[in-house]
Formats: sequence, structure tokens, C-alpha cells
Amino acid sequence: AQTVTQSQPEMSVQEAETVTLSCTYDTSESDYYLFWYKQPPSRQMILVIRQEAYKQQNATENRFSVNFQKAAKSFSLKISDSQLGDAAMYFCAYRSNDMRFGAGTRLTVKP
Amino acid sequence: DAGITQSPRHKVTETGTPVTLRCHQTENHRYMYWYRQDPGHGLRLIHYSYGVKDTDKGEVSDGYSVSRSKTEDFLLTLESATSSQTSVYFCAISDLGLDKNIQYFGAGTRLSVL
Repeated sequence: AQTVTQSQPEMSVQEAETVTLSCTYDTSESDYYLFWYKQPPSRQMILVIRQEAYKQQNATENRFSVNFQKAAKSFSLKISDSQLGDAAMYFCAYRSNDMRFGAGTRLTVKP
Repeated sequence: DAGITQSPRHKVTETGTPVTLRCHQTENHRYMYWYRQDPGHGLRLIHYSYGVKDTDKGEVSDGYSVSRSKTEDFLLTLESATSSQTSVYFCAISDLGLDKNIQYFGAGTRLSVL
């Protein structure tokens, strides 16, 4: 079964600085999709960014970008110019058939 | 926000009682999902539906049943709630087309089984 591992239960970053959240996954599939979701205290799950495994180019959405290393099965999220509103739980997810989620990383942003 | 409404938002119940959670969507999406979220586990799939009256089990389906009699409604039932089913439950939807692999989530239901 596919597994998703987020090795950092908690991270903190200074406002306006850059932080990288790590995610690794285990799969034997060649075609799949990867996602980062944000969950603020409101509990709402918000899609931050997605990456198709067949695309070599790393996805970017404004201040959010990923470093997708398919051979290493690694999918990290970089947040640039961190803002107070970025404070949340971040979940990495993998989808081939089912969607599998990591356990999450709690990001704190310090003013 | 995707048009997904979960009800109730909070519920406290006693062990052994039946509980039904409702997910309602206004997007006419084909696929609907129920997840539970527990500390240290992220979200885990309970059941999903790929059309009216078409459902299948997910990773943690024991103790849960689902029904989908209309495109817009997906019900999750705990026939006899147990304390291990205390959790936050999320409904999600997705559809065919270019964004078929993206799931959109409801706001969640916090269930406490005492």
C-alpha cells in the first residue's frame, strides 16, 4: 500500500522568511498525483498546490512551490515570504487510486 | 469554496447509539468521499461513492456504512457508535475532467462518542 511520510511534526518560521516542509512517499506506480493541503484552525482543508508525476517541471502557485524528485519519491513544499496567515497544519497527499495523506506538519509563523 | 455542506458540525453521542452524518453538495460532482481525521494519522478514507447507489470501502471502513440515493447527498452511518469512532469526519468531492484528481473538502464534523 502507498504510504506518505511527513517527518516534521512541527516547524516554525519567521515572518517574511522561507520554510520548506518535507514529504516522502512510497509507491510502485508510475502515474500518480501529489498534493499539499493546508488546514488552518477553522479546520477547512484547502488545496495549496498539486503536481502530476508525469510532469518534470515543479509546480508553483504564487509564494508556494514544490521540489518534486520522482526517483527519490520526495515532494517538499517551499513557502516563500511567509505570512502570519500561513500558520496551519499542512498535509501532503498522494493519489493513484485512493488518496493517501501524511500525518501533517504544524507550521507556526513568528511575527 | 466548493458547495459542500456537512451536517451536523458538532455532535456528542453515547456509546451504542446510531449516528448519521450528512454531506450535501451543490456541484453535481460524481465522486464523494468520507474521511476521518485523527492525530498522528492525517486523513484516512472510510468509504467513497462513484455514483448514485455505487459505493465502495476505503482503508478504515469497519463499523461504518454509507448510502447515496441522490447525486447531491452522501450519508455516513455509525450503526452503533464506539469511543474509537470519536474523530473529525470530512466529506470530499471530485469529478471527471481536467481536475478529476483534485478533491474538495467540506468543513468537517466533530463527533464525540462518550
